[in-house]
Amino acid sequence: EVQLLESGGGLVQPGGSLRLSCEASGFTFSSYGMNWVRQAPGKGLEWVSRISGSGGSTYYTDSVKGRFTISRDKSKNTLYLQMNSLRAEDTAVYYCAKAGCSSSSCSTSYNWFDPWGQGTLVTVSS
Amino acid sequence: QSVLTQPPSVSGAPGQRVTISCTGSSSNIGAGYDVHWYRQLPGTAPKLLIYANSNRPSGVPDRFSGSKSGTSASLAITGLQGEDEADYYCQSYDSSLSGYVFGTGTKVTVL
Repeated sequence: EVQLLESGGGLVQPGGSLRLSCEASGFTFSSYGMNWVRQAPGKGLEWVSRISGSGGSTYYTDSVKGRFTISRDKSKNTLYLQMNSLRAEDTAVYYCAKAGCSSSSCSTSYNWFDPWGQGTLVTVSS
Repeated sequence: QSVLTQPPSVSGAPGQRVTISCTGSSSNIGAGYDVHWYRQLPGTAPKLLIYANSNRPSGVPDRFSGSKSGTSASLAITGLQGEDEADYYCQSYDSSLSGYVFGTGTKVTVL
């Protein structure tokens, strides 16, 4: 069974930093792209970032470019999101999500998210 | 930024059929990118419902079906049940944004 377990959320002041982790199990980690998706309180879903199975390619939504960095550690089967220069508008539940289709089978642009982790709450406030 | 538009809410009596639309543009759905659907029960993470426009993952009942045409897609739920009360989101890829995009979300209420 595929499982994703996020950690690292919490309360941080504006301008501060936080690193989220997502420990994966139940599948060949390096064969799948991984994503971070967030949901502000009472709002809809917003894709944040994606990293390829090899870790060689990364993608970000415009609002986090230059502030967030996605990475992965194959030896630990863990996905990370380093968040710097945090703003109030970054407050959200952050979900990690596995690409639904493996890197060898699907183009990045046709992929989906399955499954999702349980989420970790990030609150940016003074 | 939600570039895919969904109705804020739909409702129906138990057993009825409801549909949820997802309207995009020429840079996402209209460009041929697949549409996927998720269901989010209150306080829980989203779960995949339909992938690649009309495919159901194992375990998803055939009461759920998806379709796509032009710049829009639709999710249909037949035989509406109380457990179907949730938020539903469509998702695709946008070439102008070079990233994945979600719909605005639709709350389904069972009357």
